[in-house]
Amino acid sequence: NAGVTQTPKFQVLKTGQSMTLQCAQDMNHEYMSWYRQDPGMGLRLIHYSVGAGITDQGEVPNGYNVSRSTTEDFPLRLLSAAPSQTSVYFCASGRQGGPNTGELFFGEGSRLTVL
Amino acid sequence: AQRVTQPEKLLSVFKGAPVELKCNYSYSGSPELFWYVQYSRQRLQLLLRHISRESIKGFTADLNKGETSFHLKKPFAQEEDSAMYYCALREDSGYALNFGKGTSLLVTP
Repeated sequence: NAGVTQTPKFQVLKTGQSMTLQCAQDMNHEYMSWYRQDPGMGLRLIHYSVGAGITDQGEVPNGYNVSRSTTEDFPLRLLSAAPSQTSVYFCASGRQGGPNTGELFFGEGSRLTVL
Repeated sequence: AQRVTQPEKLLSVFKGAPVELKCNYSYSGSPELFWYVQYSRQRLQLLLRHISRESIKGFTADLNKGETSFHLKKPFAQEEDSAMYYCALREDSGYALNFGKGTSLLVTP
């Protein structure tokens, strides 16, 4: 199993450009989420999903869109990038229900720089 | 609202010394608490969770509901313990994990 795969690993954007960070998991996890990691701020939840067709906002959703059309994929879209979105982005997935609820499997991260 | 507080950004200890990484939370229900760890050039991964009550890599953490704390402890730190540690909380009615800001642990020889 590949686990959680994020692409791209690195990206540089200009202010106002749009892009999509891809996330795929092959563990048949119901739950998927996106976090951003900033120095001194820790991990902050952007959006999450508990199944195909179901998404919800986290702590810092502004400027980001998500969709969940399949169990495997959970892309994160930046419609008009801003320098404040310069960060490292992590996708994570996990099971919902049962004893393993709350155990998240993380991708390697995507480092985004917005100029 | 910040539900998880890790008061120390950086904690430096000598090899063989005891280590305690602090985590306090604010939640009135029955939360589930976790510790995640990120070693250099590795993915963030689960270290332990309070409901399992087990010791992983010599680390233990006890949920203290009276003090709303979930401190991570190890009696004798090793150099390979150097990493970023995150405390996380899941509300009893929720799905998402809320992470603290993290504590960077440095174990020096």
